[in-house]
Amino acid sequence: AQSVTQPDIHITVSEGASLELRCNYSYGATPYLFWYVQSPGQGLQLLLKYFSGDTLVQGIKGFEAEFKRSQSSFNLRKPSVHWSDAAEYFCAVGEPYSSASKIIFGSGTRLSIRP
Amino acid sequence: DAGVTQSPTHLIKTRGQQVTLRCSPKSGHDTVSWYQQALGQGPQFIFQYYEEEERQRGNFPDRFSGHQFPNYSSELNVNALLLGDSALYLCASIWRSRLALGNEQFFGPGTRLTVL
Repeated sequence: AQSVTQPDIHITVSEGASLELRCNYSYGATPYLFWYVQSPGQGLQLLLKYFSGDTLVQGIKGFEAEFKRSQSSFNLRKPSVHWSDAAEYFCAVGEPYSSASKIIFGSGTRLSIRP
Repeated sequence: DAGVTQSPTHLIKTRGQQVTLRCSPKSGHDTVSWYQQALGQGPQFIFQYYEEEERQRGNFPDRFSGHQFPNYSSELNVNALLLGDSALYLCASIWRSRLALGNEQFFGPGTRLTVL
C-alpha cells in the first residue's frame, strides 16, 4: 500500500535561512509526487509536482524538490525563507497512469519562522 | 474565475445527527473528491465523483455518502455522527480526470465540522 512519511512534525527556521522538509514514500513504482502548503483558514495549494523526467522540480514561491528514487525521497527545499512561508506543508503521492485521482497525504510538517 | 467553494464554513452538530456539506468545483472541472482532515493530520481521501457516480472510495464507512449533480457540484452526507467525525472536510476539483493526465487537484477552504 502507498504511504507517505514526513518525519519532522514541526520545524523552526530563521527568516532568510535555508529550508529542507523531508518526505519519504512507499510505493511499488515511481508514483506521482506532490508538495502542498496549507495556511490557516486556507485550502491546500499545490507548490510543485513530479511525474517523470528531470528529478529536480521547480515550484511556486521559490520552492524546489528533488526526487531520489534510491532513497524513496522527495524533499522540499527553499534557499531563503520568508515570514510568509510559515504554514503546514504536506507531501503526497498519487497513482501514475491512472484516471484515479486519489492522493495519499503525509501527516504534515508545520513550519515556523523566527524573526 | 472563482475557485472551489464550500459551504458552510463551520458547522456544529451533536452525536447521532446527520450533516450535509456542499462543494462547487472550479469552473470547467468535472470531477470532485472529498477528503477528511482531522486535527494535526494530513487529509484522508473519502471518495471521488465523476459523471454523477462514485468512482473511487477510501476507507470510510457507509455512513459517508455523496452525490454529484449535473452541474458538477457535489454534496457529502454523513449519517449518525460520531465524535470522531469532527474534522475539516475538504473538497477538491479536477479537470477531465478521466484522461489520466495527473491534473492538479484544486482544493476549497474546507468546512469545519464539530460534533458534540
